[in-house]
Amino acid sequence: DAGVIQSPRHEVTEMGQEVTLRCKPISGHNSLFWYRQTMMRGLELLIYFNNNVPIDDSGMPEDRFSAKMPNASFSTLKIQPSEPRDSAVYFCASSTTGGAMETQYFGPGTRLLVL
Amino acid sequence: KNQVEQSPQSLIILEGKNCTLQCNYTVSPFSNLRWYKQDTGRGPVSLTIMTFSENTKSNGRYTATLDADTKQSSLHITASQLSDSASYICVVSSNNRLAFGKGNQVVVIP
Repeated sequence: DAGVIQSPRHEVTEMGQEVTLRCKPISGHNSLFWYRQTMMRGLELLIYFNNNVPIDDSGMPEDRFSAKMPNASFSTLKIQPSEPRDSAVYFCASSTTGGAMETQYFGPGTRLLVL
Repeated sequence: KNQVEQSPQSLIILEGKNCTLQCNYTVSPFSNLRWYKQDTGRGPVSLTIMTFSENTKSNGRYTATLDADTKQSSLHITASQLSDSASYICVVSSNNRLAFGKGNQVVVIP
């Protein structure tokens, strides 16, 4: 299995531009998580899906952020318009059913720099 | 205030030596506690997970302990290797929500 796949691996953009991050979870996993990691705040859960349905989006910082999961093998996290404070590493993770005892498998992350 | 505090923030150790990382939490009710290892430029990888009734769990040279009464956990690395250089993140689960520590940055030098 290829593991969780994220693209792009690196993204540099200018303030105000739209940014779209992509994730392909591990095949057979029904839960998908989006995280943001910064030096100041560490890892933060943004949103998670179960069976393609958003379950908890309380971590989404503001309306500029949106996430979709149109099918079991693909999810996007969009930032529009982007701001310099959005610069961070964004991780996608997946697990079998999202239960508290289950291991989440993380992708390699997308390093976003907003100038 | 962060519900999961890790210490030390960073440390440098000589190859072959042991070290212990600390995690204190205030999260309640407690479900489980997990330690992740995150290599530079990669996503976190789970090392151990412990529930309320478990007070120690090992994964190779990594041994995690849990004291649910004092809400403390530690991760002990035995006979450190250069490949142990990484960030170690403590994550506490409560009511299906996760609280993350900011990590312990470990650098192992030859």
